[in-house]
Amino acid sequence: DAGVTQSPTHLIKTRGQQVTLRCSPKSGHDTVSWYQQALGQGPQFIFQYYEEEERQRGNFPDRFSGHQFPNYSSELNVNALLLGDSALYLCASSFFFLRNRRHSETQYFGPGTRLLVL
Amino acid sequence: AQSVSQHNHHVILSEAASLELGCNYSYGGTVNLFWYVQYPGQHLQLLLKYFSGDPLVKGIKGFEAEFIKSKFSFNLRKPSVQWSDTAEYFCAGASGTYKYIFGTGTRLKVLA
Repeated sequence: DAGVTQSPTHLIKTRGQQVTLRCSPKSGHDTVSWYQQALGQGPQFIFQYYEEEERQRGNFPDRFSGHQFPNYSSELNVNALLLGDSALYLCASSFFFLRNRRHSETQYFGPGTRLLVL
Repeated sequence: AQSVSQHNHHVILSEAASLELGCNYSYGGTVNLFWYVQYPGQHLQLLLKYFSGDPLVKGIKGFEAEFIKSKFSFNLRKPSVQWSDTAEYFCAGASGTYKYIFGTGTRLKVLA
């Protein structure tokens, strides 16, 4: 059973360019979340996709956008890259369900894509 | 604002020493709490999680954590660490939303 996979593993871009990162969720999972992890920091939530729609968004500008496909895989797009966008981008997948009317999910993380913006 | 804080940024222990890593959260209402570990060169892996019920949660590799609501804490413990426990440990929380909020992490180095 494959876990969460991400591609590419590493990427080098220059300022102003655009980038697309890809994620395939763990088998049986229907929800994908994206996080940005800067050096020496914990992951920061970018957004989450469920049923092909953005369900929640963190404090990231509109330059960050995403998409979820019918097979639950997802893409993260970043436009007009800045030097500060250099980071490890993590994808996490989960299966959404309610337990006692509370949403209960556990997110499982992929290996990440390391983006360097020059 | 919701937040998770880890006060120990770097911890160095000898093998067989006991471990306790602190995690405090600021959430109102019900909260789900997690500990993840990132071994060198590997991705984040779930160690344990708390949703409700018994506040003492046991995870993989001999780790456990205790949810203390009155102290807003979810500290990670292991009675006897091994060299292979050298890693970065992240505490995370979620409350009423889908996003996880992570602490800044604790780098643990275990000396053989």
